[in-house]
Order: sequence, then C-alpha cells, then structure tokens
Amino acid sequence: QVRLQESGPGLVEASQTLSLTCNVSGGSIRRGDYHWSWIRQPPGQGLEWIGYTHYSGSGNYNPSLRSRATVSLDTSKSQFSLQLTSVTAADSAVYYCASLVVIDGSFGWFDPWGQGTLVTVS
Amino acid sequence: EIVLTQSPGTLSLSPGERATVSCRASPTLINRNFLAWYQQKPGQAPRLLIYGASNRATGIPDRFSGSGSGTDFTLTISRLEPEDFAVYYCQQYSSSVVYTFGQGTKLEIK
Repeated sequence: QVRLQESGPGLVEASQTLSLTCNVSGGSIRRGDYHWSWIRQPPGQGLEWIGYTHYSGSGNYNPSLRSRATVSLDTSKSQFSLQLTSVTAADSAVYYCASLVVIDGSFGWFDPWGQGTLVTVS
Repeated sequence: EIVLTQSPGTLSLSPGERATVSCRASPTLINRNFLAWYQQKPGQAPRLLIYGASNRATGIPDRFSGSGSGTDFTLTISRLEPEDFAVYYCQQYSSSVVYTFGQGTKLEIK
C-alpha cells in the first residue's frame, strides 16, 4: 500500500520560493496508474489542486498557478517535489501530496494522501 | 472550470440520523459520473469515500453511499455514527484541465 509523507520548511519569506518534498513508500514511484500531485488548503478553507507529474515526464498544472508552480520527480529517491515561486501570504496553507489515480486511461480521484504540512508565508 | 457547489454549508444532526449532502456541478460533467467524495476530520488529510459517483472506496462502511449523474450528486450516510461528524468534500475529475473541489459541508453534532 502506497504511503506518502511531506517534508519541508514550515516558514517561507514572502517573494521567496516554497519547496516541499513528498516521500513515496510501499510502492513504486514508477507505477503507471499514479500521477503524483500536490493539493493545498488555506487555514479554514477548501481544497485547491496545484499540479501533478508522472514518471513518463508528463504533467499538468492548475492554470491559476501554472506560472509559479513546478512539480518534479526524483525516481532514485522515490520522491517528488513542489516548487512555488514568488510566494505571498495568500500561499499560506496546508500542502498535501496525493496520488491522482488513472483508471482505464482516464484521470480519476486522489488516493492516498499524505498527512499534510503547514507552510506559512511571512 | 467546473464549479462544484455543495449544500448545505453546515448540517446539524444527531447520531443515528440520516445525513444527505448535495453537490451540484456547473457546467454539467461531460463524463457524467466522474465525481468523488472525501471526508476530512480536524487536523487530518481528506480520505476518499466514494469514486465514480457511487462506488465505495476500500474499507468504507456501507452506511456511506453516493448517487447522481451529470449535474446533481448526493452523498448519503444512512445512520450517523459519532466518528462520521466531519467535513465532506466533492471533487470532479471530468475535466482534466483543472480538478476542482466543492467548498465543503460541515456535519456537526446537534
């Protein structure tokens, strides 16, 4: 069973780059039916999908964040990462890594999720 | 972008009662049943409950059920257990341009 665990700094200065890593265990990061994703949740608010990457090199981003977000994969470490540039207070949120499931060639739901990590932009 | 609107925003019920949460998609989902439901408890990540509008995820009790197609979807909890009080989100995956979530429904103890 795949398990995900986020890590990274909990505090980032405004205008700097937010960098987070998600460790994948219990399964291969090269599995074709998982696209490795990031989702965020500002305190007390709803969920926003950020983007995903796949070991094949494909990826996609929320248009609202495309210019600032990069999701990348390190297969040697079984990790994937998020970089979000030029952050502001509006980027303060709990950031979750999650697997976007692909079924019969179609993208699906997010499962499993990491526990989440709070990032505050000061 | 597909907007998902959940209702009600807050639902106050007692254990043993039936809960019904609605999710409306605009525009209609082209892939009519590409909708999932999640449960989120305080301080925890969302947990997948339902996919394909009506399929329970692994390990989800059968008191949880989903229905609907196209525009209107419903999550029903037949008999509330104390551990069911949480926030519930719907999510569409019909559009791969951007995956969107509803704003959430808080199910609280009356």
